[in-house]
Amino acid sequence: RKEVEQDPGPFNVPEGATVAFNCTYSNSASQSFFWYRQDCRKEPKLLMSVYSSGNEDGRFTAQLNRASQYISLLIRDSKLSDSATYLCVVGGGGGADGLTFGKGTHLIIQP
Amino acid sequence: GAGVSQSPSNKVTEKGKDVELRCDPISGHTALYWYRQSLGQGLEFLIYFQGNSAPDKSGLPSDRFSAERTGGSVSTLTIQRTQQEDSAVYLCASSPAGSYNEQFFGPGTRLTVL
Repeated sequence: RKEVEQDPGPFNVPEGATVAFNCTYSNSASQSFFWYRQDCRKEPKLLMSVYSSGNEDGRFTAQLNRASQYISLLIRDSKLSDSATYLCVVGGGGGADGLTFGKGTHLIIQP
Repeated sequence: GAGVSQSPSNKVTEKGKDVELRCDPISGHTALYWYRQSLGQGLEFLIYFQGNSAPDKSGLPSDRFSAERTGGSVSTLTIQRTQQEDSAVYLCASSPAGSYNEQFFGPGTRLTVL
């Protein structure tokens, strides 16, 4: 299977700070990229898709660098509720062949 | 609307017993996926269904694992002769046609093999 690698953390960040983490993927043929969020003992939920042009959703910004096979997530003005594990996810070129999940980066926002 | 549901939510079994896990996808979703997540680990892809067909079963950990889907809806994952290393959370996800990469997950079944 394709590999997706992330720094497991934990990242301990004060509330209100900006935090960034990233992942790398090994399959250069990968076509789709996502960040999922997983709260403790809960199922993963899609946070945002990642596009080559970069995309922003409120306090969250995702970037993709295809040449370096690198994906990043930036969280601005972090909230206590942002504490979770963030999963970097890579998919194939269409078709229901499943996604490859990184093991996740654990983020802890401290008051 | 209703999301993906899985049953049971928790299952404790003895080594050597068979277990059956059930997934009800979101209505109308054509693709269905099974993953497992061991404690502190990432998600491990097991198998996916497009309709009732599973094109690739190579992700199943061993021949003790099998899965089926009927009527393009409910899916069951069966583990025969369970082993302690089968203990994990088994997650099911579904996605609509044309948006296969956006997967909606169920709450999972936590399996403990004693």
